[in-house]
Amino acid sequence: DQQVKQNSPSLSVQEGRISILNCDYTNSMFDYFLWYKKYPAEGPTFLISISSIKDKNEDGRFTVFLNKSAKHLSLHIVPSQPGDSAVYFCAASAGSQGAQKLVFGQGTRLTINP
Amino acid sequence: NAGVTQTPKFQVLKTGQSMTLQCAQDMNHEYMSWYRQDPGMGLRLIHYSVGAGITDQGEVPNGYNVSRSTTEDFPLRLLSAAPSQTSVYFCASSALASSYNEQFFGPGTRLTVL
Repeated sequence: DQQVKQNSPSLSVQEGRISILNCDYTNSMFDYFLWYKKYPAEGPTFLISISSIKDKNEDGRFTVFLNKSAKHLSLHIVPSQPGDSAVYFCAASAGSQGAQKLVFGQGTRLTINP
Repeated sequence: NAGVTQTPKFQVLKTGQSMTLQCAQDMNHEYMSWYRQDPGMGLRLIHYSVGAGITDQGEVPNGYNVSRSTTEDFPLRLLSAAPSQTSVYFCASSALASSYNEQFFGPGTRLTVL
């Protein structure tokens, strides 16, 4: 049973445009959400996070939106750059004790075209 | 600082063989964990530790053992390798000072079991 789902295996966006990556979850106990970026042959690196008490968090070109009623979050990248081409994982955790036990989505491969 | 290091980078085993995947971190992090990444499934938690001498099971612990004798090291042992354990293994660490901390990942070990 996949508790965190990224239904788009891949996404292709033109350089300079907005990239929107989506993530859905089913466990209503999740209260902390993170996005990780992964290049080939490297480990995932942390990108941005959001707590369930917020509905938006920004960091430079990256913004994460959380819709708790829909159990949906999205990552917006504006403007998209070639270096953003990578696999993006959405992850979630539940409660302070389980905050370190992340549940990951399947990942979305983002390709930025020049 | 080296961050999180993993050895070996690649390993090929025969069914039934045993081996240990090494993981070390130099950030004095209390929390360490092991994930496996399989195509189309994202990362899944195998085992984790909240400090030296304390370990617990994650989502997919069967066939794996861990121990945590020091803060720095968290080895993962495959007792009797099976083809289903062919995967990419990532070790991660984070501080426990706050419940909601990003996890830092190592570069991964690609394991093939024949």
